[in-house]
Amino acid sequence: DTAVSQTPKYLVTQMGNDKSIKCEQNLGHDTMYWYKQDSKKFLKIMFSYNNKELIINETVPNRFSPKSPDKAHLNLHINSLELGDSAVYFCASSQAGLVNTGELFFGEGSRLTVL
Amino acid sequence: SQQGEEDPQALSIQEGENATMNCSYKTSINNLQWYRQNSGRGLVHLILIRSNEREKHSGRLRVTLDTSKKSSSLLITASRAADTASYFCATDDAGGTSYGKLTFGQGTILTVHP
Repeated sequence: DTAVSQTPKYLVTQMGNDKSIKCEQNLGHDTMYWYKQDSKKFLKIMFSYNNKELIINETVPNRFSPKSPDKAHLNLHINSLELGDSAVYFCASSQAGLVNTGELFFGEGSRLTVL
Repeated sequence: SQQGEEDPQALSIQEGENATMNCSYKTSINNLQWYRQNSGRGLVHLILIRSNEREKHSGRLRVTLDTSKKSSSLLITASRAADTASYFCATDDAGGTSYGKLTFGQGTILTVHP
C-alpha cells in the first residue's frame, strides 16, 4: 500500500489554465505539506496543514490554493498557470508537533509542465 | 532563504568506496535529517539526528553533527551502485512553531560506478 499517493504524476498544460493535484496519506498523520522542487532540485516548502488547519503559508502567490477536506487529504489547486510554475510538486506527511518535526514521508511527485 | 548548503554538489566514486557528504546551515536547529532521492522519485528519509546528539549510525550510514560549526556530514560506507541518488540534508529550525517546516539543502548527486 502506498503511504502517500498523489495524482496525477505528470501534468502538461497551457499557460493560463487552472489545474489541481490531489494527495492522500494512509499513515494516520496529522500534518501534510506541499513542497515545490525546481529544475535545480531545490526543494522549498509551500504549505503545511495540521489537522485540516493551515499552519504554514510560505508567501506563495494566491494563485495557489491548498484545500484539506480531512486530515488524510491535501489538494493543491493552481489558477492561471504561468511558465514559472513548471516544477515537480511533492506532497508529504508527518507526525510533526508544535516544536519538533520528525520524519517526512513523501509522495512520488507530480511533474507539472506549463507550455 | 536557503538554510542548508551541501558540499560537494556532485560526487563520483567506485563501488566499495566510502562517500562523504557535508551540510552546513545557518540557524539553531531542533534536528537535522538526511534524505535520499532516486531519479524521478520522491524523497526517502534516511536518518534524523537531534541537536543534542553528535553521531548516529544506521546500517552503512553514519551521520555526525557539530552544532558549534553548524555542520553535519553523512558517510556511506562500502557504497553500492544502488546508492546512486541525490542526497539532501534538511533542518528543523528551532524557535517559534515548527509543524514540519524542514528547510532543505540543494543536495549532493552521488554516482557509484560498478
